Amino acid sequence: DGGITQSPKYLFRKEGQNVTLSCEQNLNHDAMYWYRQDPGQGLRLIYYSQIVNDFQKGDIAEGYSVSREKKESFPLTVTSAQKNPTAFYLCASSGSATYNSPLHFGNGTRLTVT
Amino acid sequence: AQSVTQLGSHVSVSEGALVLLRCNYSSSVPPYLFWYVQYPNQGLQLLLKYTSAATLVKGINGFEAEFKKSETSFHLTKPSAHMSDAAEYFCAVTIDNYGQNFVFGPGTRLSVLP
Repeated sequence: DGGITQSPKYLFRKEGQNVTLSCEQNLNHDAMYWYRQDPGQGLRLIYYSQIVNDFQKGDIAEGYSVSREKKESFPLTVTSAQKNPTAFYLCASSGSATYNSPLHFGNGTRLTVT
Repeated sequence: AQSVTQLGSHVSVSEGALVLLRCNYSSSVPPYLFWYVQYPNQGLQLLLKYTSAATLVKGINGFEAEFKKSETSFHLTKPSAHMSDAAEYFCAVTIDNYGQNFVFGPGTRLSVLP
């Protein structure tokens, strides 16, 4: 079955440490996205990538970084510069060349920083 | 720019009762509209999407939504609630094929009472 795999499901880190969240997809989708979800705030876009080796900042990119070296993979690094990193992080993908392509989501990573 | 409002952050219904979750949007051009469902600690799953082919859209799990341009609404309904419908529901709008332009509502948590 095709899908998006996020790992780990739960992640705990000390303040001041960088942490990388993994996202892999086997849907052959061109576009990939990272969202942050906080209670009562819906989803906010962090970064997105329409094609390999290219990515753009979303609405809340400060304190985050990404890479897109392979079509299947879009890891997110939460740096120590992110003021409030504890949240639920969702990776998504879409076939951007497909008419009205919906977003497909992974099962998320819950990051807790203490 | 598009926006989405979902009236009611929390809705409770009895098992077997009608489910009605409200979504209103604003968009300067004809929108594409989506409903997603999220179970605890999981990603978002597409319920249904409006792509201008028909104003009444049927989705998975017995849900449907009606696009009403005059009311700028896309409310989600299900005739008879089941305990398994308890989850958070998100309405989303976009004006094009590009995932980075998805705008999500804040979500409505549905509780189903026995």
